[in-house]
Formats: sequence, C-alpha cells, structure tokens
Amino acid sequence: DSGVTQTPKHLITATGQRVTLRCSPRSGDLSVYWYQQSLDQGLQFLIQYYNGEERAKGNILERFSAQQFPDLHSELNLSSLELGDSALYFCASSVEGGFSYNEQFFGPGTRLTVL
Amino acid sequence: ILNVEQSPQSLHVQEGDSTNFTCSFPSSNFYALHWYRWETAKSSEALFVMTLNGDEKKKGRISATLNTKEGYSYLYIKGSQPEDSATYLCAAHNNNDMRFGAGTRLTVKP
Repeated sequence: DSGVTQTPKHLITATGQRVTLRCSPRSGDLSVYWYQQSLDQGLQFLIQYYNGEERAKGNILERFSAQQFPDLHSELNLSSLELGDSALYFCASSVEGGFSYNEQFFGPGTRLTVL
Repeated sequence: ILNVEQSPQSLHVQEGDSTNFTCSFPSSNFYALHWYRWETAKSSEALFVMTLNGDEKKKGRISATLNTKEGYSYLYIKGSQPEDSATYLCAAHNNNDMRFGAGTRLTVKP
C-alpha cells in the first residue's frame, strides 16, 4: 500500500458527460501527478501540481483539467467525455516538486468506462 | 519526441535464475530515469531514480545501471523469486516531458 488513495475505483458513464476523479496523496507529500493508462497508449503523464500550483504539463487534453486543494488532495475533471477516454487514471505523489528527481508513489487507479 | 522503449516485452524465467532487461531513451535533454515495479490494480513500487551517467543503484536482489550518453538503463534481478513476477516499467524525463515505456512483464516460475 503506497499511501496514495483514489476514488472512485470504478466509474461508468456516457459520452458527453463530465466526471471528477479524486486523489489523496501520501501524508507529507506536496506533489500530485495524474496519468492516463489506456490499452494502446501505455502510461501517459497528464499534469503535475505542487502545493496547490500547476508545476508541469504533459499530454492533457483541453477537455481535462485538474486542481490541487489547500489540504493537498487533487481532483481531475474530465468533460465532454468520448469513448476513447475510457482508461485507467492513476495519480501519484511525491514529497517535493522537482518534476524529475523524486520518487513517485502511485495510487491504485480509477477505471473509467465511457459508454 | 521522448520515445521510451523497453525490451523484452515479456520474460519467463525459472526460480533462481538471474535476469535483466533494458530501457532505451533519447539521450538528449535527459533529466532522470525511474524504474517501477508495477502491478495493475495494486499500488506500484518505486524502485530507483537515477540521474547521473554511470549511476548504479541496488535494492536487495534488484539493481540498475544508467548510461545517459548512449541512452539506456539495465535492470537486473539476481536469483529471481516467484514474488518478483510483475511488470517492470521505466520512465524517462527530459526538460519538459516524461514518458513511460510499455514495460517488461516478468514471470518467474517456481
């Protein structure tokens, strides 16, 4: 158990809808990272927040957004959902904000199915 | 484009065998390389973070080396055990992106 929690575990929704995924980092970690893992794309980095501020951005669609709250939990908002957004969404946390140098600890993921 | 490749895709070994696999990445603008032991639906384990050319790191029976000039890292497992069965992912960072490889799926047969 990494100490990173994600809710919900599973989410089934329809195209065009909007969902929110939640992540609580390990106690003491200030950075949260979001990843998308789909069958054909592997694990893709989406975005990183550090202590409430966006720190790094990867392959995140404009329909997706994220934020990190004062208590350091983070939410990933996915809107205008398409069938291709069906994937596992992982979050990870690390102690510091350095994008490259810190070990990241992954949560168990949220499986999103868009019908 | 940060293209990270891992080989082999899958590996089957007998308990007690030593094994190794490779992560290749572009050497330009390299920042760091991560190795993870990954099991879907369970939490992953961060194995190593390496940044310097020639880095060697060890954690129990698992070790890794890094060559940033030629763009590769090796992960070694000595005396494989069935509990080592997992997917081993590497992730490379450059100055503005991070990419994961597709992983090497290791199966250790008792």
